[in-house]
Amino acid sequence: AQSVTQLDSQVPVFEEAPVELRCNYSSSVSVYLFWYVQYPNQGLQLLLKYLSGSTLVKSINGFEAEFNKSQTSFHLRKPSVHISDTAEYFCAVSLNSGYSTLTFGKGTMLLVSP
Amino acid sequence: NAGVTQTPKFRILKIGQSMTLQCTQDMNHNYMYWYRQDPGMGLKLIYYSVGAGITDKGEVPNGYNVSRSTTEDFPLRLELAAPSQTSVYFCASSYWDSNYGYTFGSGTRLTVV
Repeated sequence: AQSVTQLDSQVPVFEEAPVELRCNYSSSVSVYLFWYVQYPNQGLQLLLKYLSGSTLVKSINGFEAEFNKSQTSFHLRKPSVHISDTAEYFCAVSLNSGYSTLTFGKGTMLLVSP
Repeated sequence: NAGVTQTPKFRILKIGQSMTLQCTQDMNHNYMYWYRQDPGMGLKLIYYSVGAGITDKGEVPNGYNVSRSTTEDFPLRLELAAPSQTSVYFCASSYWDSNYGYTFGSGTRLTVV
């Protein structure tokens, strides 16, 4: 079975500073990796995903994540955060084999202050 | 295009009561899911369905039941509510498997007292 570990439950950062949210996964087979974002009192929204090809994937709002197979990681980064990026971020994994549902990490709350 | 619609948004139940959380999607998605979200615990899969008439258990199915009579609807039933079922419940759907991304509803906040 696959699993996801998000090492930080909360990451406080000042506006315009860079940020990295860490995600590590465990699986005996190849995986697909995802980052979802949840704004207050809303459902989750897909931010970006890695299925195959280039290991660096980007979202439309400036976030990027890099798949690192040797380190089993899929860290999320942004070079300069905004107040509006304040949200909870979930890393998720599914198996690259047959049908597989998403397994989510426990989430990281990104708190951006002025 | 409403996406995934969940009702109600909030509900307080007494121990032992029953209720149905409704979920409807208008995107003609084949796959539907129910997750519960507890603080600091992420999302746990309760049940999922790969099409009308087909459902399967997820990680935490005890105390819940589901049915999928149509492509659009995937209700979640709580028969005998317990305090441990206090949570936020999210319904989601996807066109095929997870690689297409899930579309989530806005959630139902349930409190069992």
